[in-house]
Amino acid sequence: EAQVTQNPRYLITVTGKKLTVTCSQNMNHEYMSWYRQDPGLGLRQIYYSMNVEVTDKGDVPEGYKVSRKEKRNFPLILESPSPNQTSLYFCASSSPGTLLGYTFGSGTRLTVV
Amino acid sequence: KQEVTQIPAALSVPEGENLVLNCSFTDSAIYNLQWFRQDPGKGLTSLLLIQSSQREQTSGRLNASLDKSSGRSTLYIAASQPGDSATYLCAVRNYGGSQGNLIFGKGTKLSVKP
Repeated sequence: EAQVTQNPRYLITVTGKKLTVTCSQNMNHEYMSWYRQDPGLGLRQIYYSMNVEVTDKGDVPEGYKVSRKEKRNFPLILESPSPNQTSLYFCASSSPGTLLGYTFGSGTRLTVV
Repeated sequence: KQEVTQIPAALSVPEGENLVLNCSFTDSAIYNLQWFRQDPGKGLTSLLLIQSSQREQTSGRLNASLDKSSGRSTLYIAASQPGDSATYLCAVRNYGGSQGNLIFGKGTKLSVKP
């Protein structure tokens, strides 16, 4: 089944403790993105990648890092999480041809205390 | 900078009604427009994708239209059912620059009453 898989689904952590949210897709897509969703603010892009070793900042990149060493994986790294990074996070992927649009993962609900 | 607006923010209708959700965008230089459905606390399910060269797409009881020149799209839901209750999100993908960036509206929360 074609899908984007995120892990973990739920995570509670403490301020300052480094964490990684993993994202993997099995559709051989070149494009991958991370979004966060907050009440009243909607979905905002954090980082995106157009291919292996090619990444760029989205609208809200502060406090996040990403890497794209393999085509299928696009982990999101929070080096020193803070409470304002408490949010619902989504990973998504797409091909450049865009005929099929974006496919989203099921989301990761992160709480930083 | 592209901005996407969805009206209304919330909508409540009785079961069986036909309804229209609206999406507008400020920059007409889009690659495509995608409608999603999101259930509470869940992920996004793609409903319809319209390429910039297309006028509409249909899937079952759903029909999405696109008028690029006026910066508008509509999602028409026929014979609504309680199972249609969810938040509907519209997102556009721009030409050039960060082609990978989907820009979302804030959604329309639909409630269909039995």
